[in-house]
Amino acid sequence: ETGVTQTPRHLVMGMTNKKSLKCEQHLGHNAMYWYKQSAKKPLELMFVYNFKEQTENNSVPSRFSPECPNSSHLFLHLHTLQPEDSALYLCASSLGLAGDYEQYFGPGTRLTVT
Amino acid sequence: SQQGEEDPQALSIQEGENATMNCSYKTSINNLQWYRQNSGRGLVHLILIRSNEREKHSGRLRVTLDTSKKSSSLLITASRAADTASYFCATDDGVGGAQKLVFGQGTRLTINP
Repeated sequence: ETGVTQTPRHLVMGMTNKKSLKCEQHLGHNAMYWYKQSAKKPLELMFVYNFKEQTENNSVPSRFSPECPNSSHLFLHLHTLQPEDSALYLCASSLGLAGDYEQYFGPGTRLTVT
Repeated sequence: SQQGEEDPQALSIQEGENATMNCSYKTSINNLQWYRQNSGRGLVHLILIRSNEREKHSGRLRVTLDTSKKSSSLLITASRAADTASYFCATDDGVGGAQKLVFGQGTRLTINP
């Protein structure tokens, strides 16, 4: 256990559905991240939050909408997704912003878009 | 933009042997980190090495960093079946206050019993 939990662990959704991914960290960290991991591609950073403020949006399509109500919780709201959005979505947290600090990852949500 | 690139993409060795993985990057960095990922799971941090360090050890892990060659290596000694995983290097972009890590595609390590 890394102290970062993600729910659900698996999600199957149609292209017209709306769903949300949840991430919670119990480590007292200030920064939280969403990553997308697709087969045969490097881990892609999607969003960065530091002290609840979004500091990075890595050109992510608007069908992905993040929300960070406090430093311990991070959500990723999904709507009208495409089949190519099927991937493992990983949440991570760190004490400070990434370069100087190790990141703690959750187990991921395996998303399948049908 | 992709920063770290691991080599080889896949490595298969016998249990007890040493495994060496390499990472090359393009721009200057403040730090370089190595992570492990078991299949379909989250990544686990292994080691962080700073740009002014040349070598770092943690248990059976040894990481080297050569900033002149923009490369790093991860050595796992006396490998075990449980070391089977993908290994990733991650770098910041070297700019002051770097906010993100950029991961390579990883090396898939298989330890055969």
